[in-house]
Amino acid sequence: GDSVTQMEGPVTLSEEAFLTINCTYTATGYPSLFWYVQYPGEGLQLLLKATKADDKGSNKGFEATYRKETTSFHLEKGSVQVSDSAVYFCALSDQRGGSYIPTFGRGTSLIVHP
Amino acid sequence: EAQVTQNPRYLITVTGKKLTVTCSQNMNHEYMSWYRQDPGLGLRQIYYSMNVEVTDKGDVPEGYKVSRKEKRNFPLILESPSPNQTSLYFCASSFLDAETGGLKLFFGSGTQLSVL
Repeated sequence: GDSVTQMEGPVTLSEEAFLTINCTYTATGYPSLFWYVQYPGEGLQLLLKATKADDKGSNKGFEATYRKETTSFHLEKGSVQVSDSAVYFCALSDQRGGSYIPTFGRGTSLIVHP
Repeated sequence: EAQVTQNPRYLITVTGKKLTVTCSQNMNHEYMSWYRQDPGLGLRQIYYSMNVEVTDKGDVPEGYKVSRKEKRNFPLILESPSPNQTSLYFCASSFLDAETGGLKLFFGSGTQLSVL
């Protein structure tokens, strides 16, 4: 079945550092890929998405490129801020026998220090 | 404002006492679903619905029921809650993108359930 693997956290960085959170996936079809962010005490929010190979999703300074050859969708940001501290979830959405069942990674906690 | 509304935000109950967590969305989405979030396990889907009167099991449906009588509402029912259902629950909704198979999920703020 489909699966998503994310690097384990927490990831701890200083403000203005470069961020990479790795995400790889397995899927039988051609999934859409997503990054969601969960701020403390809140529900998940869509951060960015990509629907086909080589697409780059971007939002709020975050970027991720859909790499079909390596089945990856790594999240990057050039300069993190304290306000980026949150849990980040990589996810895929694919049709399975006509049903749409998203698959989430376990989440990676990011802590940014001033 | 487009939103998914869950109630209650916090709930403490005892084993065996039936409860319902409500979920409502105002975006006319076809797709709605319930998830539970547990430390170290991430997000797991309980049930989903692709339209009115159409529901199906997710990955962890045991001990839960749902109904979809109206497009906007998708309540989660625990007929006889047990302590292992203590968790953080999220409702989500989305349009169905038939071309890409993608779901752009909008999440509620969550319901923290404790079963004693």
